[in-house]
Amino acid sequence: DGGITQSPKYLFRKEGQNVTLSCEQNLNHDAMYWYRQDPGQGLRLIYYSQIVNDFQKGDIAEGYSVSREKKESFPLTVTSAQKNPTAFYLCASSITGSSDYEQYFGPGTRLTVT
Amino acid sequence: AQSVTQLDSQVPVFEEAPVELRCNYSSSVSVYLFWYVQYPNQGLQLLLKYLSGSTLVKGINGFEAEFNKSQTSFHLRKPSVHISDTAEYFCAVRSGLNTGFQKLVFGTGTRLLVSP
Repeated sequence: DGGITQSPKYLFRKEGQNVTLSCEQNLNHDAMYWYRQDPGQGLRLIYYSQIVNDFQKGDIAEGYSVSREKKESFPLTVTSAQKNPTAFYLCASSITGSSDYEQYFGPGTRLTVT
Repeated sequence: AQSVTQLDSQVPVFEEAPVELRCNYSSSVSVYLFWYVQYPNQGLQLLLKYLSGSTLVKGINGFEAEFNKSQTSFHLRKPSVHISDTAEYFCAVRSGLNTGFQKLVFGTGTRLLVSP
């Protein structure tokens, strides 16, 4: 079955440590996205990539970094510069140049930093 | 820029009752509209979308929504809810422009609580 996998589902880190969240898709989608979800705030776009080896900052990119070396993979690193990293992180993908415009979401990773 | 308002943060309803979840958007250009559902600790799943054509859109799980351009609304409805419909529902809007990157803007979500 095609889909998006995110691992791990739960992640715990100490303050000051960098942590990388994994996102893999086998949908053959060109575009991938990272969102952050906080209670009562909906989803906010962190980074997006429309093609391999290219990515752009979203609305809340400070304290985060990404890479897009392969079409299937779009890992997100939460750095120690992120002031409030505890949140639920969602990865998504979509077909570019399609009139569908639907984004497909992974199951999410809940990050807790103490 | 687009924005989405979901005025109701929580909607309690009894099983088999009808429900309407409200969504209003703001945009200076044409838009595409979406409703997503999120079950606890899971990702989002598309319920339905409006791209063009008929303003009444039918989705999965018996949900439907109506695009009202004059009222800039896209309310989600279900005539009879089940316990299993308990979840968070997100309305999202995307510009209808096809130039450059057009991001999906989400509302803050409405938690639907269905009780027996």
